[in-house]
Amino acid sequence: EVQLVESGGGLVQPGGSLRLSCAASGFTFSNFWMHWVRQAPGKGLVWVSSISSDGDSTTYADSVKGRFTISRDNAKNTLDLQMRSLGAEDTAVYYCTRRSLDASHADYWGRGTLVTVSS
Amino acid sequence: QLVLTQSPSASASLGASVKLTCTLSSGHSTFAIAWHQQQPEKGPRYLMRVKSDGSHIKGDGIPDRFSGSSSGAERYLTISSLQSEDEADYYCQTWHTGTYWVFGGGTKLTVL
Repeated sequence: EVQLVESGGGLVQPGGSLRLSCAASGFTFSNFWMHWVRQAPGKGLVWVSSISSDGDSTTYADSVKGRFTISRDNAKNTLDLQMRSLGAEDTAVYYCTRRSLDASHADYWGRGTLVTVSS
Repeated sequence: QLVLTQSPSASASLGASVKLTCTLSSGHSTFAIAWHQQQPEKGPRYLMRVKSDGSHIKGDGIPDRFSGSSSGAERYLTISSLQSEDEADYYCQTWHTGTYWVFGGGTKLTVL
């Protein structure tokens, strides 16, 4: 069974940093591109970042470029998102998602971890 | 610019059918999309991929009540024999070169 379990969310002050992690199991992690998607309270889904299966290629939404860094450890089956210079607009549930092998959509989602940026 | 447009809300009666629409922006009418369901207080769940020819491929364990179709730039999700647990937000998603994703604004489905 495919499982994606996020951790690391919490309350952080404006300007602060936070590192999210996603533990993957039930599939060959190193074969799949992975993405982060976020959802602000009461709002829709917004794509944040993606990373290739080997970790060599990364892409970011303009809203987080230069502040967030996506990375992965294929030996540990983990996906990370390092977030810096956080602002209120970054408050959201962050979802770890797997990209389908045969197309490019999300095919599995984690349950999410809540990040709240507030003083 | 690649944009997906969804109606904010829809409603249908228990046991009835409903058809949700996702519209691709001009110049992108051949793109495939994916549908995701988000039940209250839960993470999203992948339902199916719908191609421009109307074919669809469902995710693991998705009931036969869920189906997809296409017409021009529109992609549809039809849910038949509506059940109370189908009350959820439904999002369509597409992609550009697979490296970044675009989501529609979501449709909140109410089962009456």
